[in-house]
Amino acid sequence: AAGVIQSPRHLIKEKRETATLKCYPIPRHDTVYWYQQGPGQDPQFLISFYEKMQSDKGSIPDRFSAQQFSDYHSELNMSSLELGDSALYFCASSLTGGGLAGDTGLQETQYFGPGTRLLVL
Amino acid sequence: AQTVTQSQPEMSVQEAETVTLSCTYDTSESDYYLFWYKQPPSRQMILVIRQEAYKQQNATENRFSVNFQKAAKSFSLKISDSQLGDAAMYFCALLYSGGGADGLTFGKGTHLIIQP
Repeated sequence: AAGVIQSPRHLIKEKRETATLKCYPIPRHDTVYWYQQGPGQDPQFLISFYEKMQSDKGSIPDRFSAQQFSDYHSELNMSSLELGDSALYFCASSLTGGGLAGDTGLQETQYFGPGTRLLVL
Repeated sequence: AQTVTQSQPEMSVQEAETVTLSCTYDTSESDYYLFWYKQPPSRQMILVIRQEAYKQQNATENRFSVNFQKAAKSFSLKISDSQLGDAAMYFCALLYSGGGADGLTFGKGTHLIIQP
């Protein structure tokens, strides 16, 4: 089965630079979520989009922005990078609205991509 | 605010034995989902099992089962016949099912070691 795709898988940036992370959800999924996981920590929710509209916002810094496009893929833009932004960034997708018959049990279950490892030097 | 607590930073079990990972949570909502995710050394987040709060029956997935105690706000994971491939960090997570695209609230995780 197709899974969530994230690119790039690894990224190295200098302080104050900008980074863009991309996420391609599982086909037919209408919702995308972004999480940040620091070393030795649990994932922290950043932001989510449902049908291309921002849905929920967590602990996302003002330096970060994100959007979901017409093909449902999403991009997380990170500016003025800081050393503390070094982390594993996960994208997850789910089927939130409607859904096909028989999918009910799977609705709102978030499936995670492999993550993008960002290192800020 | 929702919170998830995993009180066991690390657990160790012999291969083929059974182990139970604990999770407690707090929420003011009545409709929610609970999940266990597994994160092996590759750091991929893998869904293990899911429980809807309105269901009294405990969820099971092959060797994995949960003990969901709604009144006690407890959601433990039992792994039977532990295998070396079960070694990973296990995260308990809570999701409010209000119909929106809410983020998961995770616990701090339990590192499970499988001894051969």
